Amino acid sequence: GNSVTQMEGPVTLSEEAFLTINCTYTATGYPSLFWYVQYPGEGLQLLLKATKADDKGSNKGFEATYRKETTSFHLEKGSVQVSDSAVYFCALFPWGTDKLIFGTGTRLQVFP
Amino acid sequence: EAQVTQNPRYLITVTGKKLTVTCSQNMNHEYMSWYRQDPGLGLRQIYYSMNVEVTDKGDVPEGYKVSRKEKRNFPLILESPSPNQTSLYFCASRRGTGVNSPLHFGNGTRLTVT
Repeated sequence: GNSVTQMEGPVTLSEEAFLTINCTYTATGYPSLFWYVQYPGEGLQLLLKATKADDKGSNKGFEATYRKETTSFHLEKGSVQVSDSAVYFCALFPWGTDKLIFGTGTRLQVFP
Repeated sequence: EAQVTQNPRYLITVTGKKLTVTCSQNMNHEYMSWYRQDPGLGLRQIYYSMNVEVTDKGDVPEGYKVSRKEKRNFPLILESPSPNQTSLYFCASRRGTGVNSPLHFGNGTRLTVT
């Protein structure tokens, strides 16, 4: 079946540190991959996406590359800020379906 | 401003007392969906609707009902709430189908059933 596995949190970093949040997936066909972010007290917002292998999605200094050979879509940022503190969800849109499948979310806490 | 509006933001109720959580979007989106968010489980889809008068079950539909009489509204109904329905609920919408239409989420409704 289709599923998404994210690293467990919380991830705790100091400001300006490098961030990686791991995401791997299981899917048939050619899924599209997404990262959503949930700031405290808010709903989820699309952060970035990639729709085919080797695509790199990027937004607000965050990047993720669609790696079909390792079935991964890890989220990275070179220098995190306190304002990046949020919960990050990796999500999968299986090919030929109309349903977004979410991972369990990873909480990021950035301290000054 | 384009948005998905859920009400109420917080709700505390007792077992068995029927309740409705409203959801409204002003973007003329065809697709609407309800999710619940629980620690360690992420977001799970409850019900979704592809358009007016078209609704379908998601992954965890038991104990919930929905209706889509108008394009902008998609209420979530709990006929007889139970404590295991204590959760954070999100409504979402998007234009049409497919990956090029991102989901727009409301700010959530935190429900506690005692």
